[in-house]
Amino acid sequence: DVKVTQSSRYLVKRTGEKVFLECVQDMDHENMFWYRQDPGLGLRLIYFSYDVKMKEKGDIPEGYSVSREKKERFSLILESASTNQTSMYLCASTPVQGISNQPQHFGDGTRLSIL
Amino acid sequence: DQQVKQNSPSLSVQEGRISILNCDYTNSMFDYFLWYKKYPAEGPTFLISISSIKDKNEDGRFTVFLNKSAKHLSLHIVPSQPGDSAVYFCAASGGTSYGKLTFGQGTILTVHP
Repeated sequence: DVKVTQSSRYLVKRTGEKVFLECVQDMDHENMFWYRQDPGLGLRLIYFSYDVKMKEKGDIPEGYSVSREKKERFSLILESASTNQTSMYLCASTPVQGISNQPQHFGDGTRLSIL
Repeated sequence: DQQVKQNSPSLSVQEGRISILNCDYTNSMFDYFLWYKKYPAEGPTFLISISSIKDKNEDGRFTVFLNKSAKHLSLHIVPSQPGDSAVYFCAASGGTSYGKLTFGQGTILTVHP
């Protein structure tokens, strides 16, 4: 079974802090994704990566950056946290680069609160 | 611009009856559609998908129907069970090779015993 692990289930940080959210998958998947989920808005794509050191902006990249130094790990960075970044953050992965029709496998999410 | 829309924020049904969740999309490049189920404090889990070359796909109690001309898909759950109570998201992809998904807003399904 695919395992996508997010390092923290709950996180509380202060405005202006630099925040790191970590995601690890154990199935050698090529593609990894970061979303945020907000009530009434569904899941919105922040960034994704299709290979080590490769990244692409999603629909709402402002205020975020990402890092993928190893294939299994994809980090989301909030450079200077703000209260409007309080949200549920979800990481996902898919196995094969170049194929669109495959479901994404999700981690359990990190509930981030910025005070 | 919401390319995938779930216009019903919530749905309530009786155990044993049919649940029908609806989803509309606007982007004609989408060619693969999925439904995910999400419990509180858990990540979404994949339920069922359909390719645009089909109009129906079944998996046990779950059936997804696709009407390409109307740009509409629906998820039927028969019979509904209390354990089906969750948030259901539809999602779509297509036009890119990276499997990016565009999600709807979600529908909260409550199945009453």
